Amino acid sequence: DVKVTQSSRYLVKRTGEKVFLECVQDMDHENMFWYRQDPGLGLRLIYFSYDVKMKEKGDIPEGYSVSREKKERFSLILESASTNQTSMYLCASRPTGRGYTFGSGTRLTVV
Amino acid sequence: EDQVTQSPEALRLQEGESSSLNCSYTVSGLRGLFWYRQDPGKGPEFLFTLYSAGEEKEKERLKATLTKKESFLHITAPKPEDSATYLCAVLTGANSKLTFGKGITLSVRP
Repeated sequence: DVKVTQSSRYLVKRTGEKVFLECVQDMDHENMFWYRQDPGLGLRLIYFSYDVKMKEKGDIPEGYSVSREKKERFSLILESASTNQTSMYLCASRPTGRGYTFGSGTRLTVV
Repeated sequence: EDQVTQSPEALRLQEGESSSLNCSYTVSGLRGLFWYRQDPGKGPEFLFTLYSAGEEKEKERLKATLTKKESFLHITAPKPEDSATYLCAVLTGANSKLTFGKGITLSVRP
């Protein structure tokens, strides 16, 4: 089975900190995605990548950046964390033409 | 813009009481429709992919169907362990991104 691993289940950070969320997949998938999930808003796409060093903005990229230096790793960066970025962050990967496999999520709290 | 609407927002069933969850969509060029199950505090878990109208998929007590405008997730004789949030998503476009509905929270009482 494909495994998508997110480095932390829970994180607490202070306002203004630079935050890195890491995601690693073990199946050589081309496409990787970062979503955030909030009550009443569902899953919203932040950024995605369809190849190494390639990235595309999703629906809500403001305040975020990403890095994909290796095929298996896709990092989400909060340049200066704010309280409105408190959320559940979900990473996913997929081969072209197939469904997503999600990681278990990182619940980030910004205080 | 692609839109996915799930209804109802929440559904409470008695154990054994069969029902259906609805996912309606407005997209240009559907490449696939996906159903996921999500337990609290966890990532979504893949259930089904449907690619064309008329297609059906089954797994245990769950059966997913697809028409040109909507998909249904039928739950037959549910058990308390079926309690979860069920997400529907559509795959469109060349860049392979999924657009999700907001989910349906299902509670099954023993």
